[in-house]
Amino acid sequence: ETGVTQTPRHLVMGMTNKKSLKCEQHLGHNAMYWYKQSAKKPLELMFVYNFKEQTENNSVPSRFSPECPNSSHLFLHLHTLQPEDSALYLCASSPRAAPDTQYFGPGTRLTVL
Amino acid sequence: AQTVTQSQPEMSVQEAETVTLSCTYDTSENNYYLFWYKQPPSRQMILVIRQEAYKQQNATENRFSVNFQKAAKSFSLKISDSQLGDTAMYFCAFMTNSGGGADGLTFGKGTHLIIQP
Repeated sequence: ETGVTQTPRHLVMGMTNKKSLKCEQHLGHNAMYWYKQSAKKPLELMFVYNFKEQTENNSVPSRFSPECPNSSHLFLHLHTLQPEDSALYLCASSPRAAPDTQYFGPGTRLTVL
Repeated sequence: AQTVTQSQPEMSVQEAETVTLSCTYDTSENNYYLFWYKQPPSRQMILVIRQEAYKQQNATENRFSVNFQKAAKSFSLKISDSQLGDTAMYFCAFMTNSGGGADGLTFGKGTHLIIQP
């Protein structure tokens, strides 16, 4: 596969569940990002990783826990989420530290019941 | 903090017409980048065009061009000879050039562009 891939594409979970979102980039990039896209709100930056190191946590609640084991993979671990966390979660990567064009994955549509 | 404003929630034009999407931003930075991204109904966000703030010349990519007015903090996107495939959400986005670690994008709320046959 090429580009940025995300799995699963759709996820429904209860508030007590634990699940993980996965992102993989096949572009040889060094920076990876998580964004949240909610209805009627601008995309919100959640986390930034540069060379596997977290460089930004945009005041995200601790029920979202990112993990970046290498420059190609990024995870978002979810636990005890709230219904307002339902959204499209987008992963992106860029070749290097800012500034540079970010390339997005197709997103995971998350529904929290 | 930077903010990006897109004042047109939705626009509709006929195929082959020219359409301009507006974007304004607010920043105290002098060195930054601006982007237009397109998100078709399939949801994959793709880059349309980008502009470096230090460049005076407006960026162009085939049918897409920008009107970058740095003093006015305005960054509009012009789509010429619009096509049905241009139907999508269009997001204006801003990124500072902090010179340090990777920075995220600050997005506007988007403009839903509909191209009518």
